[in-house]
Amino acid sequence: DIQMTQSPSSLSASVGDRVTITCRASQSISNFLNWYQQKPGKAPNLLIYAASSLQSGVPSRFSGSGSGTDFTLTISSLQPEDFATYYCQQNYNVPRTLPRTFGQGTKLEIK
Amino acid sequence: QVQVVQSGAEVKKPGASVKVSCKASGYNFIDYGISWVRQAPGQGLEWMGWISAYNGDTHFAQNFQGRVTLTRDTSTSTAYMELRSLEPDDTAVYYCVREAAYGDYIVFYYWGQGTLVTVSS
Repeated sequence: DIQMTQSPSSLSASVGDRVTITCRASQSISNFLNWYQQKPGKAPNLLIYAASSLQSGVPSRFSGSGSGTDFTLTISSLQPEDFATYYCQQNYNVPRTLPRTFGQGTKLEIK
Repeated sequence: QVQVVQSGAEVKKPGASVKVSCKASGYNFIDYGISWVRQAPGQGLEWMGWISAYNGDTHFAQNFQGRVTLTRDTSTSTAYMELRSLEPDDTAVYYCVREAAYGDYIVFYYWGQGTLVTVSS
């Protein structure tokens, strides 16, 4: 199975900061990479798909990049509502039913 | 609109089995696959497996091979996840997720509300 490794596992930042979270796949997944945000007690919410495509309704301060094995999620200017846990997920589609593995998560906390 | 509604919380003893249901509405049930994801208290998301609502094909994460059964009932638009030989470490919130496809890209867009399964003697 493809393994996904996120770093850091936790991050302290202030409102207005620019933050970057990284995700590495154990083998090339092209750009089949999603990012989700999860707040306590809630189901995850899709932010980015296809590594860099912003889901409709998601603020433009969120962006994604990368291809192959290395990916990043960037929040350009942190807002209070962005403090949450973020997960990457691979959905490499060859074949279609490969595991939809998640990274272990990055908890973004207020400094 | 698409809705995915799961069955209620369960308390089980070690060694028992649990079966969680996931009723979908607002779309043609057989058009999309359903994945199951669990989250232990304070832990991350763990993908468990996937079922084709169309033909019942399944695929499982290695950690769950042989211990999880995924089924679906197209007449009621309901998917089921059964986990056997429960241990305290299986205590978690279990989510069903209706996948969505943006071209070749699969995303987890429609999440159920989650079902808390507690395993305790």
